[in-house]
Amino acid sequence: GAVVSQHPSRVICKSGTSVKIECRSLDFQATTMFWYRQFPKQSLMLMATSNEGSKATYEQGVEKDKFLINHASLTLSTLTVTSAHPEDSSFYICSASSDKWEAFFGQGTRLTVV
Amino acid sequence: GENVEQHPSTLSVQEGDSAVIKCTYSDSASNYFPWYKQELGKRPQLIIDIRSNVGEKKDQRIAVTLNKTAKHFSLHITETQPEDSAVYFCAASIGDNYGQNFVFGPGTRLSVLP
Repeated sequence: GAVVSQHPSRVICKSGTSVKIECRSLDFQATTMFWYRQFPKQSLMLMATSNEGSKATYEQGVEKDKFLINHASLTLSTLTVTSAHPEDSSFYICSASSDKWEAFFGQGTRLTVV
Repeated sequence: GENVEQHPSTLSVQEGDSAVIKCTYSDSASNYFPWYKQELGKRPQLIIDIRSNVGEKKDQRIAVTLNKTAKHFSLHITETQPEDSAVYFCAASIGDNYGQNFVFGPGTRLSVLP
């Protein structure tokens, strides 16, 4: 199947700093990528839809100024958590699809804000 | 919008027994239903999926059934093995486009006891 790579897998940052997470589709072009957030023992919650060359679409309740998404190319989307706080600590996962039904997930990024 | 419910939240079975996880969805336009297996700290992995023009699909020990009228779909795992222990998520596509964007169920933690 297609490969989606997410980096970093783990990051610890100080409160108030910003963290950038990258999501790359390695062997296909993805016009759309999706960013999910997963709290411990909970399901994946869609945060935003990242569209190549245009602004991201955010789900209700997700602060677009706090979670900056950039989809600069057909193989790369980035999520930047700005001015991170401890409550932003979570598991962030991206996904992308080629031209088929299946969605391929990145490895996920465990963010810890101290 | 789409709402996906999943039951049970936890399930323990003896090795060799069968496990059944059930999901319901609310959006009649949804037409793609994947099931994901997620091991602790890892990305969700697609294990089986079904499209709305099919009532049942089987892949070795795993099967999925779909009742589009009742908006129910279920995952069946036969001859369970300890390595089947994980969290399983059902999902339903948003609307009737390619199943790239999903609403996930809350998950079922399956434990297979040796």
